[in-house]
Amino acid sequence: QKEVEQDPGPLSVPEGAIVSLNCTYSNSAFQYFMWYRQYSRKGPELLMYTYSSGNKEDGRFTAQVDKSSKYISLFIRDSQPSDSATYLCAMSHAGGTSYGKLTFGQGTILTVHP
Amino acid sequence: SAVISQKPSRDICQRGTSLTIQCQVDSQVTMMFWYRQQPGQSLTLIATANQGSEATYESGFVIDKFPISRPNLTFSTLTVSNMSPEDSSIYLCSGRGVNTEAFFGQGTRLTVV
Repeated sequence: QKEVEQDPGPLSVPEGAIVSLNCTYSNSAFQYFMWYRQYSRKGPELLMYTYSSGNKEDGRFTAQVDKSSKYISLFIRDSQPSDSATYLCAMSHAGGTSYGKLTFGQGTILTVHP
Repeated sequence: SAVISQKPSRDICQRGTSLTIQCQVDSQVTMMFWYRQQPGQSLTLIATANQGSEATYESGFVIDKFPISRPNLTFSTLTVSNMSPEDSSIYLCSGRGVNTEAFFGQGTRLTVV
C-alpha cells in the first residue's frame, strides 16, 4: 500500500465548475500538507500548504485537512481553462531526519473545458 | 520567491554514458533535494543533498548510480551514471528555506536510447 493515495483521474469539467481533488494517507506521522500544480513540461508549483486540520482558503482555492480520517482535499471554485494541469498532493513529517522530504500522491490530471 | 535554475532542460543520451544535471538557486536555502518523475507517475525522492558532505539517499537509490554534490548553499549537481533506458525520466531539483515550503526547478527531461 502506498503511503499517499490520489485518484489519478483524468478529471474533465466545464468552465465554472467546482472541482474537488482528494488524497488519503496512511502514515499518521505526516503533519504538513501541500498541494502543487504542475503544467505540462514544467516543475511543480506550490499552491497551498497547511499544518493543521480544518480549512484554509486562498482566492478560488480551499485546502481541507482531516487528520483524524487521514484525508486531504483541494477545492477549486469557478474553475478556469487555465486551471488545466496535474495537481499533486504532498506531505511531510514534522521534523527530525525527515524534515523537508515530501511524499507525493500520483497526481490528478484536470482539464477544464470552455 | 526563490527561483531554481536547472540545466540542461532536456537531453538524449546513449546508454552506458553519464549525465550531470546542475541546479542553481538564486538565494540560500536550508535544504536541497533531488526527485525523479517517471513517465506518467508522481515524484519520488532520490536523495537529500547535504552541503559539504555526502548526500542522504532514499531506499532504492545508491551513490554509485546517482552521485550528488552540494559544495555550497545555492548549488547542487546530480549525475545519472551508466545510464540505461530505464533511467529515462524527469529529474527535478527542489529547495527549501527556513520560511519557505519546497519549491522546484523546471526539471530535466532525460531520454536514454
